[in-house]
Amino acid sequence: QVQLVQSGVEVKKPGATVKVSCKTSGYTFTDYGISWVRQAPGQGLEWVGWINPNNGNTDYAQIVQGRVTMTTDASTSTAYMELTSLTSDDTAVYYCARDVPPVWGSDSWGQGTLVTVSA
Amino acid sequence: DIQMTQSPSSLSASVGDRVTITCRASQTIDNYLNWYLRKPGRAPKLLISAVSSLQTGVPSRFSGSGSGTDFTLTITFLQPEDFATYYCQQSYATPYTFGQGTKLEIK
Repeated sequence: QVQLVQSGVEVKKPGATVKVSCKTSGYTFTDYGISWVRQAPGQGLEWVGWINPNNGNTDYAQIVQGRVTMTTDASTSTAYMELTSLTSDDTAVYYCARDVPPVWGSDSWGQGTLVTVSA
Repeated sequence: DIQMTQSPSSLSASVGDRVTITCRASQTIDNYLNWYLRKPGRAPKLLISAVSSLQTGVPSRFSGSGSGTDFTLTITFLQPEDFATYYCQQSYATPYTFGQGTKLEIK
C-alpha cells in the first residue's frame, strides 16, 4: 500500500537549517506530486509548497519563499524539504503528502516531523 | 492568495445528529475543493476531493456539495469517531490554502 515515512524529530537553534525527508513506497514516485504542509502549535494547517517529482518543478508559499528548497531523489523515491534561517515561527509539525489528480487533493500523508526552533 | 473561510469554527453535536460545515472561497475555484478530517496527533485524512468525490473507504454518511465559491460538508448520523477537526482546502491555485478548521465536539 501507499506509504510515506518521514524523518524524526528535529530541534534547532534560530538561524539554523533543517532538512526533512519523506520516503515513499507503494506507488510510482514520479506519477504524483508531493506537497508539504505544516501545523504550528494551536494553529491550523498551512501549505508550505509542492514539488513535481517527474520534472523537479516547485512552487513555494510566500511565507517561506527564499528559505525553502524542495527536492526529490527518484532512485530512492524520497522527497526532501530544506528550510533555512529558522525562527521560532517555523516551529511546527511538518507533513509530506501525495497529491492526486484530478484536483490535487492529498490522499496519503507522512506521519509528520516535529521541528522545534528554540534558543 | 485565495482565502478560505470556514464556518462555524466550532460545533457541538450528538451521536446520530446531522451537521453541516461551510467553506467559502474568496474567488471562484471551480471544483478544486477538498475536505480533510484531522484527529489529534494524527495526519490529516482526505475525505472528499473535487467537491463531492468520496475517497475510497470513507463512509457514505459524508457528503460534499457546492460550486464556484460556496461549498458544504455534510455528515449525517454522526458517529463517535467523527468528532474531530475538519478542514477545507482549495487546490485551484497555489498556495493551496486551507480553511481555519471546524472543531466538531460531542455535546
